[in-house]
Amino acid sequence: DGGITQSPKYLFRKEGQNVTLSCEQNLNHDAMYWYRQDPGQGLRLIYYSQIVNDFQKGDIAEGYSVSREKKESFPLTVTSAQKNPTAFYLCASRVQGMGGYTFGSGTRLTVV
Amino acid sequence: KNEVEQSPQNLTAQEGEFITINCSYSVGISALHWLQQHPGGGIVSLFMLSSGKKKHGRLIATINIQEKHSSLHITASHPRDSAVYICAVTANYGGATNKLIFGTGTLLAVQP
Repeated sequence: DGGITQSPKYLFRKEGQNVTLSCEQNLNHDAMYWYRQDPGQGLRLIYYSQIVNDFQKGDIAEGYSVSREKKESFPLTVTSAQKNPTAFYLCASRVQGMGGYTFGSGTRLTVV
Repeated sequence: KNEVEQSPQNLTAQEGEFITINCSYSVGISALHWLQQHPGGGIVSLFMLSSGKKKHGRLIATINIQEKHSSLHITASHPRDSAVYICAVTANYGGATNKLIFGTGTLLAVQP
């Protein structure tokens, strides 16, 4: 079945370490997105990519980096520059410019 | 003021009750989405609407473009409907990319 796989589901890291969250889709979707969810707030866009080898900053890109070397994969790196990295991270995808979104199951990152 | 507002924030219902969750938005949109988030965090897309009404099983979604308002109805509610329901809009800012803006969600608890 087609879908989005995010791994791992839970991730713990020490402060100051970079960590990479995986997002893989087998839907042949062009566009992929990373969102951050904090308690009491709507999801906020971190980065998005509309095509391979291209990506754009969202509303809260500081302290994050991404790559899009393959259509299926859009990994997110949370760097040590991100001041408040503990959050729930969701990946999504869709056919570019149309259609509904497909969301992953999320990764809960805790930095201690 | 958020561009997407949901009400109520929290809702407790008895099994079998008819439930309504409301969403108002203040931007021009090309589509409105209703999403369901279960306690594990993963999000499922329930509906994508640009006009009128859609029905899927016990779920009904309506949108009034002139009033910038949408409602999600659940008939004959069941404890398994307990989840966070999120309204999101594909904002029509023009250009190549239309941004997805999320409400903060409605936490629904259906008691047996």
